[in-house]
Amino acid sequence: SQQGEEDPQALSIQEGENATMNCSYKTSINNLQWYRQNSGRGLVHLILIRSNEREKHSGRLRVTLDTSKKSSSLLITASRAADTASYFCAPGRNEKLTFGTGTRLTIIP
Amino acid sequence: DAGVIQSPRHEVTEMGQEVTLRCKPISGHNSLFWYRQTMMRGLELLIYFNNNVPIDDSGMPEDRFSAKMPNASFSTLKIQPSEPRDSAVYFCASSTDRVTEAFFGQGTRLTVV
Repeated sequence: SQQGEEDPQALSIQEGENATMNCSYKTSINNLQWYRQNSGRGLVHLILIRSNEREKHSGRLRVTLDTSKKSSSLLITASRAADTASYFCAPGRNEKLTFGTGTRLTIIP
Repeated sequence: DAGVIQSPRHEVTEMGQEVTLRCKPISGHNSLFWYRQTMMRGLELLIYFNNNVPIDDSGMPEDRFSAKMPNASFSTLKIQPSEPRDSAVYFCASSTDRVTEAFFGQGTRLTVV
């Protein structure tokens, strides 16, 4: 299956702390994407990392990719209340875009 | 651009009725995806199209579900007959080409009673 599995299922941290979420997958990929979903809304794309990249940054987001371990991590630094959401990874080999069950992140003010 | 537009936003129907969900992708996007989201099963890919052609419908749960994309600016997902277990939020998403970010609509919350 091309689908990724996010870990942990749920994470609660204090505002200002860093949050790390992990994604594991089973097939070879060309890229991996991370998305955020606020309650009741559609998913929003955060960042895409290609298979030949090891790390990528976007604002407070840092994504790493280890293709040998078939895993990726998403780090959100200096978390804010607005970061409370579910986060999904999408490992990509072709145009098919599938998601795991996500990590539910709660930022405690 | 207004983004991916889905209609209706909410739908309540009785078991056995036909339900049609609609999606207008972003202009210029050539890939379109239909997803179903429930607490139990998460976000499931039902079917996706590329250049209006269905590429993979292996996620369509059963023959009661059908999807069409008659042109580049419109797609429908039909459930006939509907059942209570079809209650979920259905999302449509589109993207520009084969492997880039996808843009999601706001979803249609379907309740079958």
